[in-house]
Amino acid sequence: NAGVMQNPRHLVRRRGQEARLRCSPMKGHSHVYWYRQLPEEGLKFMVYLQKENIIDESGMPKERFSAEFPKEGPSILRIQQVVRGDSAAYFCASSPPGGVRGYTFGSGTRLTVV
Amino acid sequence: QKEVEQDPGPLSVPEGAIVSLNCTYSNSAFQYFMWYRQYSRKGPELLMYTYSSGNKEDGRFTAQVDKSSKYISLFIRDSQPSDSATYLCASHTGNQFYFGTGTSLTVIP
Repeated sequence: NAGVMQNPRHLVRRRGQEARLRCSPMKGHSHVYWYRQLPEEGLKFMVYLQKENIIDESGMPKERFSAEFPKEGPSILRIQQVVRGDSAAYFCASSPPGGVRGYTFGSGTRLTVV
Repeated sequence: QKEVEQDPGPLSVPEGAIVSLNCTYSNSAFQYFMWYRQYSRKGPELLMYTYSSGNKEDGRFTAQVDKSSKYISLFIRDSQPSDSATYLCASHTGNQFYFGTGTSLTVIP
């Protein structure tokens, strides 16, 4: 039973390029959450999605960031025109419906903007 | 004021010591409290999950919640080198989890 799968594990982008981060939730999980972790700042909530719906995007920057969770395939966090300040570890978590205790994190994608 | 505050440490203890990790929170609506362990370059993994005030024990780990003072603690007995990691406290309301910044723990053999 595979856990939450994130890819790539490491991503290097030049300033101005697009970054696409993928997250496949655990089997049976229909809720996906994205977090950003910066050194000494902890995990910050970005967005909560269910299949084909964005439920809560209150933590997403207003510009350049978007997320989707299509009917088929993984959830995608997209960052357009990346800047150095976007360098961070991005974690995805998934949970079953109503199952906060089943909240499981992936191993993260480490984005470096050069 | 952050929703959840945590002393980042670092904390260094000898093997076998009792470790006390602490957090405070500000939102009275929080009812569920969690402790996560995060090894370097890995995602957080759930260690303890508690509801409301009181203690919960699981092996060498004890989680304690005091809602009157908005204080949550994790105690590790007989600490092992394999316990060396960053420990994150968290709570949630609705869809969002709120995490502390994490305390880095090193257990020296």
